[in-house]
Amino acid sequence: TQLLEQSPQFLSIQEGENLTVYCNSSSVFSSLQWYRQEPGEGPVLLVTVVTGGEVKKLKRLTFQFGDARKDSSLHITAAQTGDTGLYLCAGDVGSNYKLTFGKGTLLTVNP
Amino acid sequence: IAGITQAPTSQILAAGRRMTLRCTQDMRHNAMYWYRQDLGLGLRLIHYSNTAGTTGKGEVPDGYSVSRANTDDFPLTLASAVPSQTSVYFCASRGLQETQYFGPGTRLLVL
Repeated sequence: TQLLEQSPQFLSIQEGENLTVYCNSSSVFSSLQWYRQEPGEGPVLLVTVVTGGEVKKLKRLTFQFGDARKDSSLHITAAQTGDTGLYLCAGDVGSNYKLTFGKGTLLTVNP
Repeated sequence: IAGITQAPTSQILAAGRRMTLRCTQDMRHNAMYWYRQDLGLGLRLIHYSNTAGTTGKGEVPDGYSVSRANTDDFPLTLASAVPSQTSVYFCASRGLQETQYFGPGTRLLVL
């Protein structure tokens, strides 16, 4: 079973601060996805990265896929209270299309 | 378009009882998945189905069974519920670029 480790597990910051969440593995993934989950709801896809070294931006969120396709990071600039939620990374090794999820980073942005 | 619906939204179940969690998608996706989400353990795959008529075991299949009689429906059955099956259950289907779309979840408490 491939393991995806996310850090930090918990993060509490003030509105306006920047933050980075990390997702690391010893396995190579054909693609890696980031999801956000709000309380009482299912995860919602934010982005999929496929190419090693790829950087994708979604407004204030920047996603990077490591060159070796084993790790990824999510950087949020000038966090807002609406960014509060559980951020999950998930990797696909390319067979059977089964995703392996990290345990998540619970982000709280305080006003 | 509703996406993925799950029923019931929540349930309290006596240990030893049989229970079926329902999942229906209207996106005509071939692949569907059942996960359970537990605090500190993240999302873990229970069973999956790559296409109607086929199913496969995930990371934590014991005590659960699934069927995939058609494209739209993917029910999850607990034959004889135990307290350790208390969890939040998410159904998902896979669309383009391995994107998984999640349902709203079923919160199950087994006493």
